[in-house]
Amino acid sequence: DIQMTQSPSSLSASVGDRVTITCRASQGISNYLAWYQQKPGKVPKLLIYAASTLQSGVPSRFSGSGSGTDFTLTISSLQPEDIATYYCQKYNSAPLTFGGGTKVEIK
Amino acid sequence: QVQLQESGPGLVKPSGTLSLTCAVSGGSISSSNWWSWVRQPPGKGLEWIGEIYHSGTTNYNPSLKSRVTISVDKSKNQFSLKLSSVTAADTAVYYCAREPVNNAFDIWGQGTMVTVSS
Repeated sequence: DIQMTQSPSSLSASVGDRVTITCRASQGISNYLAWYQQKPGKVPKLLIYAASTLQSGVPSRFSGSGSGTDFTLTISSLQPEDIATYYCQKYNSAPLTFGGGTKVEIK
Repeated sequence: QVQLQESGPGLVKPSGTLSLTCAVSGGSISSSNWWSWVRQPPGKGLEWIGEIYHSGTTNYNPSLKSRVTISVDKSKNQFSLKLSSVTAADTAVYYCAREPVNNAFDIWGQGTMVTVSS
């Protein structure tokens, strides 16, 4: 089975900073990669699908890139409301594995 | 607007069977979507449990496959999860989610906390 590895597991950044989270698949998954945001105590929310397509209603400061095995989620200017844990997920075929998550905090 | 709502016992005894249902409202379970279960132990990450299509076709997480059954009831517009031989390690918030064919999980239920304890 394909494993999904996220890094870092946590990060601390200042408001306005550019934040980058990476996700690596152990085998190629084309662009079948999604990113979710989960705020504390809340339901996960789809941010990006097909590696780089922004879900409707998601702020444009979020962007995704990559294909094959290496993917990136970027927040261009970190806002206080972006405090959350971010998960990547492969969905090309079962099992639909999630990455371990990246917790983003404000410095 | 499609909505999902999980229901089921919040407490299950060790070695018992966890049973949850996800009711689909605002749309048909027979639409072009897969329907998944995801869980999250307290303080930990998300784990995909398995999925079902309205035809009854299923896929399961290999790590749970021997204990999991997901079924669909088209007459009630809902799908269900059964997890057998539970232990404390199965304590988690359980979510149901919609996955359009070849796409990501775009709609999630609110989640239900299930505790395994005697």
